[in-house]
Amino acid sequence: GQNIDQPTEMTATEGAIVQINCTYQTSGFNGLFWYQQHAGEAPTFLSYNVLDGLEEKGRFSSFLSRSKGYSYLLLKELQMKDSASYLCAVMDSNYQLIWGAGTKLIIKP
Amino acid sequence: GAVVSQHPSRVICKSGTSVKIECRSLDFQATTMFWYRQFPKQSLMLMATSNEGSKATYEQGVEKDKFLINHASLTLSTLTVTSAHPEDSSFYICSARDPRQDNSPLHFGNGTRLTVT
Repeated sequence: GQNIDQPTEMTATEGAIVQINCTYQTSGFNGLFWYQQHAGEAPTFLSYNVLDGLEEKGRFSSFLSRSKGYSYLLLKELQMKDSASYLCAVMDSNYQLIWGAGTKLIIKP
Repeated sequence: GAVVSQHPSRVICKSGTSVKIECRSLDFQATTMFWYRQFPKQSLMLMATSNEGSKATYEQGVEKDKFLINHASLTLSTLTVTSAHPEDSSFYICSARDPRQDNSPLHFGNGTRLTVT
């Protein structure tokens, strides 16, 4: 079956760095997406990786290793507004998105 | 950039009535749109894939006759919750991908919070 695993919840301190991991087992691979979702709101797109390596976008970076079925989202200089759920999603061979359950990130002052 | 608009953002209805939710792609044509449902503190659950000009594809466990989907144009898909019941209260979110971009991410509407009393 297809499976996306990510931690349920993480806590970090304002100004620090946090890494949210995602491992996947899917039928084929056509890219991995990270979304941010604040409580009560729809998800917003953060990043897309289809090749191995690190993609940096401001305070957020996303890494992919296809051979390991592994990705992480790195958030630097954490701000209180970064408190949200972070969703990992993989596009399989049929171009369908398989979603992880999301990681709730709690930022403490 | 690509934008998906969803309306209404909130709706409260009485049990037994029907509610229609609209999803529009504003600057691209979407032959396919996706409807998700999300209960509190749970992950997104794909309900159905809306296909322009043909029948929607429903996920297992989703009642076709209860959740009517119409994708009559390349920029509009509608989801109608028929004979709504309190257990249908949820956050409904539509999304679409810009076909002009290879491996475009899903762009989400702002969601519709449905409360059935």
